[in-house]
Parts: sequence; structure tokens; C-alpha cells
Amino acid sequence: TQLLEQSPQFLSIQEGENLTVYCNSSSVFSSLQWYRQEPGEGPVLLVTVVTGGEVKKLKRLTFQFGDARKDSSLHITAAQPGDTGLYLCAGTKQRGSQGNLIFGKGTKLSVKP
Amino acid sequence: GAGVSQSPSNKVTEKGKDVELRCDPISGHTALYWYRQRLGQGLEFLIYFQGNSAPDKSGLPSDRFSAERTGESVSTLTIQRTQQEDSAVYLCASSPQGFRFTDTQYFGPGTRLTVL
Repeated sequence: TQLLEQSPQFLSIQEGENLTVYCNSSSVFSSLQWYRQEPGEGPVLLVTVVTGGEVKKLKRLTFQFGDARKDSSLHITAAQPGDTGLYLCAGTKQRGSQGNLIFGKGTKLSVKP
Repeated sequence: GAGVSQSPSNKVTEKGKDVELRCDPISGHTALYWYRQRLGQGLEFLIYFQGNSAPDKSGLPSDRFSAERTGESVSTLTIQRTQQEDSAVYLCASSPQGFRFTDTQYFGPGTRLTVL
């Protein structure tokens, strides 16, 4: 059973379009992180959200943590080819320890010029 | 270099052989993590080292997998009697403290292991 379900699994869009990817769970997480991973490289942290209902913005990226801390979304405005990559969400269930960071399978985004 | 480094970047081995994968964390980072990423899958936690505490080995899939870390420096992940199902990218990450739930993990580029 996958604790964190990400959707869609694949997304191919044209430059300039908007998109939203989702990360859902039936479990409550104390914090949730979003990473971007490019081929041949390790994931790079984009943002951490810790409070239910929290919204964080990073340039054209908007991250939201659900009120119940069971889900999160990532919205990209006016996507660019440089946004192409695998977007992973990861959650921590326990405060005080990040040893068991639980990852979703990711959304593979392709932005065509 | 300033980042996490891993070696080798690629490893091809025959079924049944042992392999060692190396991770050099960012200097000064007390916490070190190993993950496995199978094709088309997310990251699967394997093991976590934090300072001098006993490592959290709860993610190791079998007793063929083991890992060591010397102090707060290099770590080695060893897979004995490799199986084809072990084929994956093995990622290492380090973080400054490891106990804060918002601590940032910095990932290396990974070692791509192929078991023939």
C-alpha cells in the first residue's frame, strides 16, 4: 500500500500552460516536502510545509498543505521547459525525527517549448 | 566539493556477487540516509545514521543489505549475493542535524546498480 499517492503519474504540457499535481494520503503527516528530481541527479528540496492550510509560494510555484495535513498540491503557473522533471512529495509522520521520510512515486512533468 | 558525492556512479554486476556503494556526505552534517529508487518508483528508505546513535535499519529489505558509517563521515552500503531485484538507483542524503522534522536533506546523484 502506497502511503502517499501522487497524481497524475505523467503530465505533458506546452510552455505557458498552468498545471496542478496532487499528493494524497489517508494518513496525517506532521510535515510534507516537495522535491524536484532531474535525470541522473538526486532530488532537490523545493519546499517544506508544516501547518494545516499553509500556502507557500516559490516564484511560479504554489504549494498548499491540506487543512487536515493529509494532502498537498503543487501548482505551477506559466510552465517553462526548465520546469521539466520528476516532482516528488515526501512526508514525515513523527515530529523530532526525519529518519523515515515517506516518498510518493512522483509526477513526471514534461514541458514542451 | 560542497555537495554529497557518491561512487561509483554506475555499477554493473553479476547475480550473486557482492557490491559496495560509497557516500561522502556534506562536511559537518551529522545525519546520513540511504534510499533506493526503482525504475518508475518513489524513494524507498533503507537506513539512517545520526551522530553516534544506533542506526535506524528498519528500511533494509533483507539481511543481504548492510551499511556502515565512520563517525560523521563516509558511509558504505553493502549488498551481498546480489539479485536482479536489487537493480535500482541507490541515493544517499545528508542533513545538518537529522532530528528536526523540517531539516533539509541534501541528496547525492546516486549510484545506478544493474544486476545481470
